Amino acid sequence: DAGITQSPRYKITETGRQVTLMCHQTWSHSYMFWYRQDLGHGLRLIYYSAAADITDKGEVPDGYVVSRSKTENFPLTLESATRSQTSVYFCASRRDYEQYFGPGTRLTVT
Amino acid sequence: AQSVTQPDIHITVSEGASLELRCNYSYGATPYLFWYVQSPGQGLQLLLKYFSGDTLVQGIKGFEAEFKRSQSSFNLRKPSVHWSDAAEYFCAVGMKTSYDKVIFGPGTSLSVIP
Repeated sequence: DAGITQSPRYKITETGRQVTLMCHQTWSHSYMFWYRQDLGHGLRLIYYSAAADITDKGEVPDGYVVSRSKTENFPLTLESATRSQTSVYFCASRRDYEQYFGPGTRLTVT
Repeated sequence: AQSVTQPDIHITVSEGASLELRCNYSYGATPYLFWYVQSPGQGLQLLLKYFSGDTLVQGIKGFEAEFKRSQSSFNLRKPSVHWSDAAEYFCAVGMKTSYDKVIFGPGTSLSVIP
Protein backbone atom coordinates (compact mmCIF):
# COMPACT_ATOMS: atom_id res chain seq x y z
CA ASP A 1 0.00 0.00 0.00
CA ALA A 2 1.15 3.53 -0.69
CA GLY A 3 2.19 5.61 2.29
CA ILE A 4 4.89 6.14 4.85
CA THR A 5 6.18 3.38 7.06
CA GLN A 6 8.46 3.65 10.03
CA SER A 7 10.44 0.95 11.77
CA PRO A 8 10.75 -0.07 14.45
CA ARG A 9 7.51 1.15 16.03
CA TYR A 10 8.95 0.75 19.52
CA LYS A 11 12.56 0.71 20.64
CA ILE A 12 14.28 0.59 24.00
CA THR A 13 17.99 1.27 24.04
CA GLU A 14 20.69 2.17 26.51
CA THR A 15 22.53 5.43 26.89
CA GLY A 16 25.51 5.64 24.56
CA ARG A 17 24.27 3.16 21.98
CA GLN A 18 23.74 4.00 18.33
CA VAL A 19 20.18 3.70 17.09
CA THR A 20 18.79 4.06 13.58
CA LEU A 21 15.15 4.77 12.88
CA MET A 22 13.94 3.91 9.42
CA CYS A 23 11.48 5.77 7.24
CA HIS A 24 10.19 4.69 3.83
CA GLN A 25 7.69 6.41 1.53
CA THR A 26 6.11 5.10 -1.63
CA TRP A 27 5.00 8.36 -3.26
CA SER A 28 8.41 9.64 -4.44
CA HIS A 29 7.80 12.96 -2.69
CA SER A 30 10.90 15.14 -2.85
CA TYR A 31 10.71 16.54 0.66
CA MET A 32 10.99 14.39 3.76
CA PHE A 33 11.16 15.38 7.41
CA TRP A 34 11.98 14.02 10.84
CA TYR A 35 10.18 15.40 13.88
CA ARG A 36 10.23 14.57 17.53
CA GLN A 37 7.13 14.94 19.66
CA ASP A 38 7.41 15.70 23.34
CA LEU A 39 4.72 16.69 25.81
CA GLY A 40 4.23 20.44 25.82
CA HIS A 41 6.41 21.01 22.76
CA GLY A 42 4.26 19.76 19.93
CA LEU A 43 6.36 18.65 16.98
CA ARG A 44 9.87 19.94 16.55
CA LEU A 45 11.79 19.53 13.32
CA ILE A 46 15.05 17.62 13.60
CA TYR A 47 16.19 17.37 9.98
CA TYR A 48 14.69 17.66 6.56
CA SER A 49 15.64 16.63 3.06
CA ALA A 50 14.70 18.38 -0.16
CA ALA A 51 15.80 15.49 -2.39
CA ALA A 52 18.18 12.55 -2.47
CA ASP A 53 21.60 13.59 -1.16
CA ILE A 54 20.26 16.98 0.04
CA THR A 55 19.67 17.29 3.78
CA ASP A 56 19.66 20.15 6.23
CA LYS A 57 19.16 20.90 9.91
CA GLY A 58 15.90 21.81 11.53
CA GLU A 59 15.25 23.23 15.00
CA VAL A 60 16.79 20.47 17.14
CA PRO A 61 19.48 18.61 15.13
CA ASP A 62 22.10 18.05 17.84
CA GLY A 63 22.84 14.37 18.45
CA TYR A 64 21.18 13.22 15.24
CA VAL A 65 22.48 12.29 11.80
CA VAL A 66 20.49 11.70 8.62
CA SER A 67 21.20 10.44 5.15
CA ARG A 68 19.16 10.11 1.98
CA SER A 69 20.78 8.06 -0.72
CA LYS A 70 17.41 7.15 -2.28
CA THR A 71 14.30 9.30 -2.63
CA GLU A 72 12.12 6.81 -0.80
CA ASN A 73 14.25 6.30 2.32
CA PHE A 74 15.25 8.76 5.02
CA PRO A 75 16.88 7.09 8.04
CA LEU A 76 17.57 8.96 11.27
CA THR A 77 20.53 7.90 13.42
CA LEU A 78 21.18 8.73 17.04
CA GLU A 79 24.94 8.35 17.18
CA SER A 80 25.17 8.04 20.97
CA ALA A 81 21.73 7.98 22.52
CA THR A 82 20.98 10.09 25.59
CA ARG A 83 17.99 10.04 27.94
CA SER A 84 16.90 13.42 26.60
CA GLN A 85 16.32 11.72 23.25
CA THR A 86 13.52 9.62 24.70
CA SER A 87 10.61 10.72 22.54
CA VAL A 88 8.20 9.79 19.80
CA TYR A 89 9.73 10.29 16.38
CA PHE A 90 7.67 11.00 13.27
CA CYS A 91 8.77 10.88 9.71
CA ALA A 92 6.82 12.83 7.10
CA SER A 93 6.90 13.49 3.40
CA ARG A 94 5.39 16.47 1.67
CA ARG A 95 3.58 17.30 -1.53
CA ASP A 96 3.09 21.05 -1.98
CA TYR A 97 2.57 22.16 1.61
CA GLU A 98 0.66 19.11 2.75
CA GLN A 99 2.61 16.77 4.98
CA TYR A 100 1.93 13.05 5.28
CA PHE A 101 3.03 11.44 8.49
CA GLY A 102 4.18 7.97 9.37
CA PRO A 103 2.81 6.15 12.43
CA GLY A 104 5.78 7.10 14.61
CA THR A 105 8.53 5.33 16.54
CA ARG A 106 8.43 5.44 20.31
CA LEU A 107 12.03 5.47 21.53
CA THR A 108 13.03 5.02 25.15
CA VAL A 109 16.63 5.56 26.19
CA THR A 110 17.47 4.03 29.59
CA ALA B 1 9.83 35.23 15.32
CA GLN B 2 7.19 33.03 13.82
CA SER B 3 5.08 31.11 16.29
CA VAL B 4 1.84 29.21 16.68
CA THR B 5 -0.16 29.18 19.90
CA GLN B 6 -3.03 27.00 20.95
CA PRO B 7 -4.29 28.56 24.18
CA ASP B 8 -6.20 25.51 25.36
CA ILE B 9 -4.06 22.58 26.45
CA HIS B 10 -7.06 20.38 27.15
CA ILE B 11 -10.77 20.66 26.41
CA THR B 12 -13.62 18.42 27.49
CA VAL B 13 -16.99 18.50 25.73
CA SER B 14 -20.09 16.37 25.84
CA GLU B 15 -20.98 14.25 22.84
CA GLY B 16 -23.31 16.22 20.57
CA ALA B 17 -22.07 19.59 21.80
CA SER B 18 -20.34 22.08 19.54
CA LEU B 19 -16.59 22.51 19.54
CA GLU B 20 -14.18 25.33 18.86
CA LEU B 21 -10.41 24.94 19.15
CA ARG B 22 -8.38 28.10 19.05
CA CYS B 23 -5.23 28.79 17.08
CA ASN B 24 -3.26 32.01 16.79
CA TYR B 25 -0.12 32.61 14.83
CA SER B 26 2.58 35.19 14.51
CA TYR B 27 3.91 35.70 11.00
CA GLY B 28 4.56 38.78 8.92
CA ALA B 29 2.95 37.59 5.70
CA THR B 30 -0.13 35.59 4.83
CA PRO B 31 0.58 32.06 5.95
CA TYR B 32 -0.63 28.71 4.82
CA LEU B 33 -2.70 27.20 7.63
CA PHE B 34 -3.44 23.64 8.62
CA TRP B 35 -5.21 21.60 11.24
CA TYR B 36 -4.05 18.06 11.94
CA VAL B 37 -5.56 15.42 14.19
CA GLN B 38 -3.64 12.72 16.03
CA SER B 39 -5.44 9.74 17.49
CA PRO B 40 -3.67 7.84 20.28
CA GLY B 41 -0.70 5.89 18.98
CA GLN B 42 -1.12 7.23 15.48
CA GLY B 43 0.57 9.72 13.21
CA LEU B 44 -0.95 13.05 12.29
CA GLN B 45 -3.72 13.27 9.74
CA LEU B 46 -4.61 16.44 7.85
CA LEU B 47 -8.11 17.72 8.67
CA LEU B 48 -8.12 20.82 6.51
CA LYS B 49 -5.94 23.52 5.02
CA TYR B 50 -6.12 27.14 3.95
CA PHE B 51 -3.94 28.54 1.19
CA SER B 52 -6.01 31.41 -0.20
CA GLY B 53 -9.52 32.39 -1.22
CA ASP B 54 -12.58 31.70 0.88
CA THR B 55 -11.62 32.16 4.51
CA LEU B 56 -14.03 29.46 5.69
CA VAL B 57 -12.65 26.07 4.77
CA GLN B 58 -14.27 22.69 5.06
CA GLY B 59 -12.38 19.59 6.02
CA ILE B 60 -12.87 15.94 6.67
CA LYS B 61 -14.97 14.44 9.46
CA GLY B 62 -17.32 17.44 9.52
CA PHE B 63 -14.72 19.98 10.66
CA GLU B 64 -14.38 23.52 9.41
CA ALA B 65 -12.03 26.39 10.17
CA GLU B 66 -12.11 30.12 9.60
CA PHE B 67 -9.11 32.29 8.80
CA LYS B 68 -9.34 35.75 10.34
CA ARG B 69 -6.46 37.87 9.18
CA SER B 70 -7.23 40.74 11.56
CA GLN B 71 -7.02 38.41 14.54
CA SER B 72 -4.21 36.19 13.20
CA SER B 73 -6.42 33.24 14.00
CA PHE B 74 -7.47 30.00 12.40
CA ASN B 75 -9.98 28.40 14.76
CA LEU B 76 -11.31 24.91 14.20
CA ARG B 77 -15.01 24.18 14.67
CA LYS B 78 -17.41 21.29 14.61
CA PRO B 79 -21.16 21.69 15.22
CA SER B 80 -21.70 18.32 16.92
CA VAL B 81 -18.87 16.32 18.43
CA HIS B 82 -18.77 12.53 18.29
CA TRP B 83 -17.00 10.32 20.81
CA SER B 84 -14.55 9.30 18.07
CA ASP B 85 -13.33 12.90 17.82
CA ALA B 86 -11.40 12.48 21.06
CA ALA B 87 -7.80 13.08 20.00
CA GLU B 88 -4.98 15.61 19.94
CA TYR B 89 -5.39 18.51 17.53
CA PHE B 90 -2.52 20.49 16.11
CA CYS B 91 -2.63 23.79 14.30
CA ALA B 92 0.24 24.44 11.90
CA VAL B 93 1.48 27.38 9.90
CA GLY B 94 3.43 27.15 6.68
CA MET B 95 5.60 29.95 5.40
CA LYS B 96 7.73 30.60 2.39
CA THR B 97 11.33 29.91 3.35
CA SER B 98 14.18 27.97 1.81
CA TYR B 99 12.35 24.77 2.62
CA ASP B 100 8.80 26.04 3.00
CA LYS B 101 8.88 25.80 6.74
CA VAL B 102 5.92 24.49 8.73
CA ILE B 103 5.60 25.27 12.44
CA PHE B 104 3.28 23.25 14.65
CA GLY B 105 1.44 24.49 17.69
CA PRO B 106 1.72 22.61 21.00
CA GLY B 107 -1.59 20.84 20.50
CA THR B 108 -4.98 20.71 22.21
CA SER B 109 -6.16 17.47 23.73
CA LEU B 110 -9.89 16.87 23.27
CA SER B 111 -11.87 14.58 25.57
CA VAL B 112 -15.47 13.71 24.78
CA ILE B 113 -17.95 12.76 27.50
CA PRO B 114 -20.54 10.22 26.32
